[in-house]
Amino acid sequence: DGGITQSPKYLFRKEGQNVTLSCEQNLNHDAMYWYRQDPGQGLRLIYYSQIVNDFQKGDIAEGYSVSREKKESFPLTVTSAQKNPTAFYLCASSIAPGVVEAFFGQGTRLTVV
Amino acid sequence: KQEVTQIPAALSVPEGENLVLNCSFTDSAIYNLQWFRQDPGKGLTSLLLIQSSQREQTSGRLNASLDKSSGRSTLYIAASQPGDSATYLCAVCSTYSTLTFGKGTMLLVSP
Repeated sequence: DGGITQSPKYLFRKEGQNVTLSCEQNLNHDAMYWYRQDPGQGLRLIYYSQIVNDFQKGDIAEGYSVSREKKESFPLTVTSAQKNPTAFYLCASSIAPGVVEAFFGQGTRLTVV
Repeated sequence: KQEVTQIPAALSVPEGENLVLNCSFTDSAIYNLQWFRQDPGKGLTSLLLIQSSQREQTSGRLNASLDKSSGRSTLYIAASQPGDSATYLCAVCSTYSTLTFGKGTMLLVSP
């Protein structure tokens, strides 16, 4: 089936560690996005990529890094510099930036222990 | 900077009622507006997409309208069912072709 796959579903991180969240899509979409969701807040944009080998910072990029080496993959690394990483992370894609609807994965819940 | 507001934050209705969820945005220069549904602990499911040139879109019991000039959209749910219980999110696509989200309306439909 076509779609967006995020893994793992749950992730636990010790303080000071970097962790990488996976996002893979087989929809042949050019644009991919990472959002963070906290209780009582809307989704906030971390990073986005409109084409392979190019990505842009969103509203809350500090403490995060991404890569876009392949069209189907857009991994997000949460670094030790991110002060409050516990949140629900959502990956999305669209066939072209801004033109058509965006599709979302099922999310990764990251908890710092 | 685009800001999106959703009213009400929470809504509880008995089964069978028709209901309206509201979304407003501050910058009318949008490409499109999208309504999503989110179940607890899950990702987002796209419900309806309205392009900036359109006034409304319909899918089954759902109807979404868009008034770009006044910065408003409504999601109308007809004959609500317990399975409609979820959080509904409104998002507008504007600057850099990214989505700006509201905080959502949490809907509970009781049998």
